[in-house]
Amino acid sequence: DVKVTQSSRYLVKRTGEKVFLECVQDMDHENMFWYRQDPGLGLRLIYFSYDVKMKEKGDIPEGYSVSREKKERFSLILESASTNQTSMYLCASLRLAGAETQYFGPGTRLLVL
Amino acid sequence: EDQVTQSPEALRLQEGESSSLNCSYTVSGLRGLFWYRQDPGKGPEFLFTLYSAGEEKEKERLKATLTKKESFLHITAPKPEDSATYLCAVSGGSNYKLTFGKGTLLTVNP
Repeated sequence: DVKVTQSSRYLVKRTGEKVFLECVQDMDHENMFWYRQDPGLGLRLIYFSYDVKMKEKGDIPEGYSVSREKKERFSLILESASTNQTSMYLCASLRLAGAETQYFGPGTRLLVL
Repeated sequence: EDQVTQSPEALRLQEGESSSLNCSYTVSGLRGLFWYRQDPGKGPEFLFTLYSAGEEKEKERLKATLTKKESFLHITAPKPEDSATYLCAVSGGSNYKLTFGKGTLLTVNP
């Protein structure tokens, strides 16, 4: 079974803080993704990475950056947290062998005060 | 731009009352259509991948079908534990990005 873990389930930060969200997968997948999920807006893609040190912007990259130094780990960085970044953040890892499938982590619920 | 529309937004069923959820999509070069189940406060759980019109997949009380414009998730004789939000997503073109619909919140009453 694919396992995707996220560093925190719940996080409370102050406006202006730098925030790191970490995601780890144990299946040697090349492609990893960061989404945010908001009521009424659904899941929206922030960034994705198709290999170590490779990244590409998704649909809503503003205010975020990412880091992928090792294949199993994909980090989302909020350079200066703002209240409109309060959301549920979901990481996913893509399996290509067999049926193409993105597997999601449990999510991090971030509250920015 | 890829688009996914799910209907209804919410559906309330009695236990044993079968029904269907709809997912309409527009995408350039469909790579796959995906169904996920999401429980409150948790990450989406993969259910099915469909690749081409006419394809069907089944798992327990769930059956997913695909046409060129839409997909249906049929729920046969649902149980209260089937209560969740069901998400539909598509991937198209040359990358593996998923575009999600906003989901259908299913409630099954005992």
